[in-house]
Amino acid sequence: AQSVTQLDSHVSVSEGTPVLLRCNYSSSYSPSLFWYVQHPNKGLQLLLKYTSAATLVKGINGFEAEFKKSETSFHLTKPSAHMSDAAEYFCVVSVPNSGYSTLTFGKGTMLLVSP
Amino acid sequence: EPEVTQTPSHQVTQMGQEVILRCVPISNHLYFYWYRQILGQKVEFLVSFYNNEISEKSEIFDDQFSVERPDGSNFTLKIRSTKLEDSAMYFCASRTSGRTGELFFGEGSRLTVL
Repeated sequence: AQSVTQLDSHVSVSEGTPVLLRCNYSSSYSPSLFWYVQHPNKGLQLLLKYTSAATLVKGINGFEAEFKKSETSFHLTKPSAHMSDAAEYFCVVSVPNSGYSTLTFGKGTMLLVSP
Repeated sequence: EPEVTQTPSHQVTQMGQEVILRCVPISNHLYFYWYRQILGQKVEFLVSFYNNEISEKSEIFDDQFSVERPDGSNFTLKIRSTKLEDSAMYFCASRTSGRTGELFFGEGSRLTVL
């Protein structure tokens, strides 16, 4: 079985400062890993995904994440936060199961950005 | 840009009533999913659907739940007799390829059971 742990329920940063959202996973198989973002009253939007290619993955809006197998981590970073980044972020693991992949979500990290 | 659309955005119902949540997946997608998120908890997988049948379901998806693709565009989730604990945000999702293709989510339908 797979699981995802997002280590912080809330992260607060100032605009222009770096963002780090932490995620650790557990999986018996080679996982695919994703970060999704949810803005208020919006659906879940894919930020980036890791599917066993390059370990450093670049996504939309300047976000990137690094897959570290030895640490079972997939932390999300951004060099400089923008006010529009304020949202909830979900780390997600997907493992093939009976030929179809289903997603296991972390509890989410709310990113707060102050001026 | 193509998107997954869900209706209603919010539904309030009495305990014991039947509820149908509707989803229109992206038109060329073949795999369909329902997830739910109870307030303050994780997003949880309910069911996946492919080729007009359920391909996988979670423990949550008991006999009170059913899914259907009644025509070429809609994908519905029915809760036969709602319980208080069914109150949640329900997300529909769809994708093309079966294993690592991106899942596109709708904006969700908030169900409140009184």
